[in-house]
Amino acid sequence: GENVEQHPSTLSVQEGDSAVIKCTYSDSASNYFPWYKQELGKGPQLIIDIRSNVGEKKDQRIAVTLNKTAKHFSLHITETQPEDSAVYFCAAANFGNEKLTFGTGTRLTIIP
Amino acid sequence: DSGVTQTPKHLITATGQRVTLRCSPRSGDLSVYWYQQSLDQGLQFLIQYYNGEERAKGNILERFSAQQFPDLHSELNLSSLELGDSALYFCASTYSGTHSSYNEQFFGPGTRLTVL
Repeated sequence: GENVEQHPSTLSVQEGDSAVIKCTYSDSASNYFPWYKQELGKGPQLIIDIRSNVGEKKDQRIAVTLNKTAKHFSLHITETQPEDSAVYFCAAANFGNEKLTFGTGTRLTIIP
Repeated sequence: DSGVTQTPKHLITATGQRVTLRCSPRSGDLSVYWYQQSLDQGLQFLIQYYNGEERAKGNILERFSAQQFPDLHSELNLSSLELGDSALYFCASTYSGTHSSYNEQFFGPGTRLTVL
């Protein structure tokens, strides 16, 4: 089955700087890669996703890149703000098997 | 607010007991997914239901079972509970469980289960 690895497990950045979280996946059949943000006491919330026919996607301060050959995808947050502090999860799935396989999470702390 | 509701928010019980967790999906969503989130295992997919029928199964223990009712709400039943079952249990819903595309899963706030 699919295996998703996520790094780093914790990340602290100064407010206004950029943060990058990286994931790798094992199943070449995976073609959908969402990123979720989980705040304390809440369920995960989708912040951006990318499908395998696209190499990069951007939504304001958030961008995701996908390298299918290397089976890597990354989340980039620019101009970080205190409200970006949360746990971020990457995940992978394919259209034929809809279950999401999650990475182990990255605790992002923005230092004011 | 995702529109997915879960009850109860917290549950404390003893080993060997049985509990039922309830999930109401977003209005119009046909698929319900259950996930377990523990400190050492991260978010693990348990099971998916689509319009009342089981669609996919993950690493769900035999002591656990689920169902989806005609009104589309779902229940996750956990029996013969062990200390290691203590975790957050999330359900998520999405409109379609089709194989032709992938739709965003909307997560509920979770039920925190503590087994003493």
